[in-house]
Amino acid sequence: AQSVTQLDSHVSVSEGTPVLLRCNYSSSYSPSLFWYVQHPNKGLQLLLKYTSAATLVKGINGFEAEFKKSETSFHLTKPSAHMSDAAEYFCVLGSGNTGKLIFGQGTTLQVKP
Amino acid sequence: EAGVAQSPRYKIIEKRQSVAFWCNPISGHATLYWYQQILGQGPKLLIQFQNNGVVDDSQLPKDRFSAERLKGVDSTLKIQPAKLEDSAVYLCASSAAGTGDSYNYGYTFGSGTRLTVV
Repeated sequence: AQSVTQLDSHVSVSEGTPVLLRCNYSSSYSPSLFWYVQHPNKGLQLLLKYTSAATLVKGINGFEAEFKKSETSFHLTKPSAHMSDAAEYFCVLGSGNTGKLIFGQGTTLQVKP
Repeated sequence: EAGVAQSPRYKIIEKRQSVAFWCNPISGHATLYWYQQILGQGPKLLIQFQNNGVVDDSQLPKDRFSAERLKGVDSTLKIQPAKLEDSAVYLCASSAAGTGDSYNYGYTFGSGTRLTVV
């Protein structure tokens, strides 16, 4: 079965400190993995994706994620949080070769001044 | 390039009424998806089209939900009759590629229609 688990429903950091959003997955196939961000009343925006190339993936706005097959994880990091990073973040799994996306429950990132 | 257009942006209806949502994908995109996002949860796939054919509707509550994509372009999603638990944001997404290639080609999401059933 294909599934995604985001380990934290809410993460709070201070501006300028590192961000870590955790994601574990379960997949019978070689996974495609994504991180999307959703700002209030805005559409989903792709931050980065892993599709079996380099295991360390760099995305927009300074975010990056590392695919670790042995740990079935795809954690999202950023060295220094900015106020504009406050949003909902979704870890997403591509399901086999169907094109279907399986979303995690989401992690709300709060950035304090 | 124009994005994925959805209308209406907001809709409030009473339970047992019917409602329809419209989606116009990016021109030329073969694959179209409808997702349901209940407050506090991640989006869940309702139905996937490739051109005008249904690829996956296994999670569509077919007793009350229906969707079509005539001519393989725009799409409508209908709920009849609506229940309180249908309150959610309905997201439409499209991809230039077919099925599994979408992971490489990417997806574009619309801003969604927020449905409130009272």
